[in-house]
Amino acid sequence: KAGVTQTPRYLIKTRGQQVTLSCSPISGHRSVSWYQQTPGQGLQFLFEYFSETQRNKGNFPGRFSGRQFSNSRSEMNVSTLELGDSALYLCASSWGTGSYEQYFGPGTRLTVT
Amino acid sequence: DAKTTQPNSMESNEEEPVHLPCNHSTISGTDYIHWYRQLPSQGPEYVIHGLTSNVNNRMASLAIAEDRKSSTLILHRATLRDAAVYYCIRRGETSGSRLTFGEGTQLTVNP
Repeated sequence: KAGVTQTPRYLIKTRGQQVTLSCSPISGHRSVSWYQQTPGQGLQFLFEYFSETQRNKGNFPGRFSGRQFSNSRSEMNVSTLELGDSALYLCASSWGTGSYEQYFGPGTRLTVT
Repeated sequence: DAKTTQPNSMESNEEEPVHLPCNHSTISGTDYIHWYRQLPSQGPEYVIHGLTSNVNNRMASLAIAEDRKSSTLILHRATLRDAAVYYCIRRGETSGSRLTFGEGTQLTVNP
C-alpha cells in the first residue's frame, strides 16, 4: 500500500506570495491533518479534514486555509507569505477522526525569502 | 493543551534495551497515550499506543503505570536506526485526529 505523498517536496517563495501544498492520503483513509514544523516552535497542528469538512483547527492566522476533496486528497493554502512561514509542512492521514494512528508524509519544505 | 513531560535526551548502546519515560500526571480517564518517533529528515512515525494495560507490538512495548500518571516506551534491542526524537502524546476524546507534540526525547544510539 502506497504511503502518504506530498507535493511539491521543496518550494521557494517570496514574501507576499501565496502557496498551495498538496497531500494524497493512504488509500481508504478519510482523515487528513496538517502540521507545521519549525526549529523554534516544533510540530504544531494546523487543521484536520474528514469527509471534506474541517473538524479541528489549530491556533494559526486565517492566512492558513485548507480543503479536502471527495477522494480525500487535501490541499493547504498560505496567502500573503511571511518570512516566519518558512517551515516543513507535514500531512498525516488516518482511517477516521479520533484516536487512530496517524501516518505522516515526508513533508514539503517551504522557504520564504 | 494536553501536557506530557519527557527528558530532553537519552543515550543507549546498540543491542541494549532502552526505556523512555513519560510523565502525564494530569491525565484523564479516557485519554490514550500515544508514542511517535521522528527520524532525521522524515515525518513522524507511529510507534504504539495504549489506555490502561501494557501493550506490545513489533516495534516496541508500552508499560503504563497503574495510576496512569506515567508510562515507559521500551525498545527491547536498540539499533542505530532507532536514533530519533520520541514523542509521548496524550489524546483525549475531543482531540479528534489532533496530535499535540511536545519537545520529545532525542535518543542517541551508540554503536
